[in-house]
Amino acid sequence: QAVVTQEPSLTVSPGGTVTLTCGSSTGVVTSGHYPFWFQQKPGQAPRTLIYDTSNKHSWTPARFSGSLLGGKAALTLSGAQPEDEAEYFCLLSYSGPRVFGGGTKLTVL
Amino acid sequence: EVQLVESGGGLVQPGGSLRLSCVASGFTLSNYWMNWVRQAPGKGLEWVANIKRDGNEKYYVDSVKGRFTISRDNGKNSLYLQMNSLRAEDTAVYYCASPGDWGQGTLVTVSS
Repeated sequence: QAVVTQEPSLTVSPGGTVTLTCGSSTGVVTSGHYPFWFQQKPGQAPRTLIYDTSNKHSWTPARFSGSLLGGKAALTLSGAQPEDEAEYFCLLSYSGPRVFGGGTKLTVL
Repeated sequence: EVQLVESGGGLVQPGGSLRLSCVASGFTLSNYWMNWVRQAPGKGLEWVANIKRDGNEKYYVDSVKGRFTISRDNGKNSLYLQMNSLRAEDTAVYYCASPGDWGQGTLVTVSS
C-alpha cells in the first residue's frame, strides 16, 4: 500500500501563516485522492477540518483552507491562534483503501 | 446532534476475538461510506477498513486482511468490526468515522 508523507513538525508564530503538505509515494496527489485533513488535540478524538481537497465543515474555522500545491495536498492556516496547536493528519483515498499520513505536530509559538 | 458511539473494546489475549460496534444517531448511516480507524498508544492514525453504503464493497489495510471483517446494519444505524486472531500490535483506540464525524473511540488491548 502507498505511503503518505507529512512534515513531522512545524512551528508558526501567533497570527502567522503556515502550510502543511501531504504527499503520496505513488506520485502526484490529485483531487481523485479526495484529500482529507484532520485535527487532533491531546486526549481527544480527531476532528475533520477539510474534505475532498478544499471543502470545509460548518465547524471549520475560516482561517483553515485546503488546496493542491506542487503535486501535494496542502492545508494552509492563515492567522494562527494558540488553540490551533495540535497534530494534523491527512488522509488520501486510493480507489477504495485509504492511507493516513504520519501527522504534523504544529506548534504555535 | 450527530453522535457515533463505539463499544466492545476491552482486554483480550493474543489469538482472541472481539467485536466492536458503532451506533450512529443524528444522521443516517446508510448515506455514507463508513470507516474504522485506529490509533496505537502514542502513535498516529491508521486507517483500518471501510465499507460502502450498501455494504457491497469493503477494503482493509494489509495488516488486518483475513483477520478483521467490517460490516454494517443500516436498519440499526450501526457499524461493526469483527476482529479475530488478535495480536499485540492491534492494541489501539479504535474509532468509528464517517466522512465528517468521529466517535470517541473504544480501547482494545491485546495482552496475556
